Amino acid sequence: GNSVTQMEGPVTLSEEAFLTINCTYTATGYPSLFWYVQYPGEGLQLLLKATKADDKGSNKGFEATYRKETTSFHLEKGSVQVSDSAVYFCALSEFTDKLIFGTGTRLQVFP
Amino acid sequence: DTAVSQTPKYLVTQMGNDKSIKCEQNLGHDTMYWYKQDSKKFLKIMFSYNNKELIINETVPNRFSPKSPDKAHLNLHINSLELGDSAVYFCASSQEGRGWETQYFGPGTRLLVL
Repeated sequence: GNSVTQMEGPVTLSEEAFLTINCTYTATGYPSLFWYVQYPGEGLQLLLKATKADDKGSNKGFEATYRKETTSFHLEKGSVQVSDSAVYFCALSEFTDKLIFGTGTRLQVFP
Repeated sequence: DTAVSQTPKYLVTQMGNDKSIKCEQNLGHDTMYWYKQDSKKFLKIMFSYNNKELIINETVPNRFSPKSPDKAHLNLHINSLELGDSAVYFCASSQEGRGWETQYFGPGTRLLVL
């Protein structure tokens, strides 16, 4: 079945450091790919998405490119801020609107 | 102007009790969902409804019964609560329930079963 694998956390960075959170997926066809973010005590909100191969999603300085050849959708940001501290979820949906989530990666950014 | 709202925010109850969680969205969306997030933050879909019709039912115990009185509301009733039901329950909605659409999540209901 379809699945999403994310790197284990927590990821701990200093402010202004470069961020990469790895995400790979398994799917039979051409899924849509998402990154959702969950700030402490809140629900999830969409960070970015890509719906076909080679698409790049971007928002708030974060980027991820849909790579079909490596079945990956890694999240990157050039310079993180303390306010980026949150749990990041990679997810996919294929054929239906059923979102399949990865296990989440906690990011902690220190000043 | 909360887009997806849930009540209550916190729910502490004893094993064996019956409880309900309510969800409302004011986005005019056709599709609504319930997700369960366990203590390790793992998120899994439970149900989805499109225009009051059940679409997804992810092998959830039949103690859980969703009810959608209209397309803006999706409530979750849980009978005979068990310790393992302790989790955060999130409601979400999307425009038409298509795979590429953004889902909008509520703030969550933190359920603790003692």
